[in-house]
Amino acid sequence: EDQVTQSPEALRLQEGESSSLNCSYTVSGLRGLFWYRQDPGKGPEFLFTLYSAGEEKEKERLKATLTKKESFLHITAPKPEDSATYLCAVQADQAGTALIFGKGTTLSVSS
Amino acid sequence: DTAVSQTPKYLVTQMGNDKSIKCEQNLGHDTMYWYKQDSKKFLKIMFSYNNKELIINETVPNRFSPKSPDKAHLNLHINSLELGDSAVYFCASSQDYSGGLDTQYFGPGTRLTVL
Repeated sequence: EDQVTQSPEALRLQEGESSSLNCSYTVSGLRGLFWYRQDPGKGPEFLFTLYSAGEEKEKERLKATLTKKESFLHITAPKPEDSATYLCAVQADQAGTALIFGKGTTLSVSS
Repeated sequence: DTAVSQTPKYLVTQMGNDKSIKCEQNLGHDTMYWYKQDSKKFLKIMFSYNNKELIINETVPNRFSPKSPDKAHLNLHINSLELGDSAVYFCASSQDYSGGLDTQYFGPGTRLTVL
C-alpha cells in the first residue's frame, strides 16, 4: 500500500534556528513528490515538486531534497512567518493523479 | 483573482440532511478533485474529474456524489449526512490528466459540521 510518513509531527524553533522536516514514502512507483504549506483555516499552498532522486529545489528560506526513500524540507534561519503545517504528498503509479498525503509537520517559530 | 473558490466556507447542519458544496476554478484546468481533511488534519482523496468524467472514486460512500456541469465546476452533493462526515472538504484542480505531474491548486476549504 502506498504510504507517506512525516516526522516530526510538531517542531518548535527559535527564530534563526535552522532545521529539517522529513517525509519518507513507500509507493509502488514514484511519479512525483510535492511539498505544500497550510496555514490555519486555509487550503494547502504549493511549494515544490520533485521528480527524481538527487533533485533539489529552493525558495527563499526553504530547500527541498529527494532521495529514493525520502524527502527533506530544510528551513534555514526561519522567521515567525514560516510557522505553518508543512504537508508532503506523492503521486504514485497506481493512484493516477491523486495525491497521497502525509499527516504533516506543524512548525512553530518564535521570535 | 481567486484561482479555486469554494462555497460555503462554513456549513452547519443536522444529521440526515442533504447538502451541497460548490467549487469553481478559473485556471482553465482540465481536472478537478475533492479531498477530505479529518480532525487530525489528514488529507485524503475522494474524487477526481477530468473533462466531466469521473476518474477516481476512493471507496467513498455512495451518499457522496460529485457533479460537474462543466470543466470549471465540480460540486459535491452529500445525502443523509452523518456525524462522521464532519470535516473540512477541499476542492483542487490541475492542468491535464495525461499521466503527467501537474501541480494541484487547492481551494480555501469548506468546514462541514454535522450535529
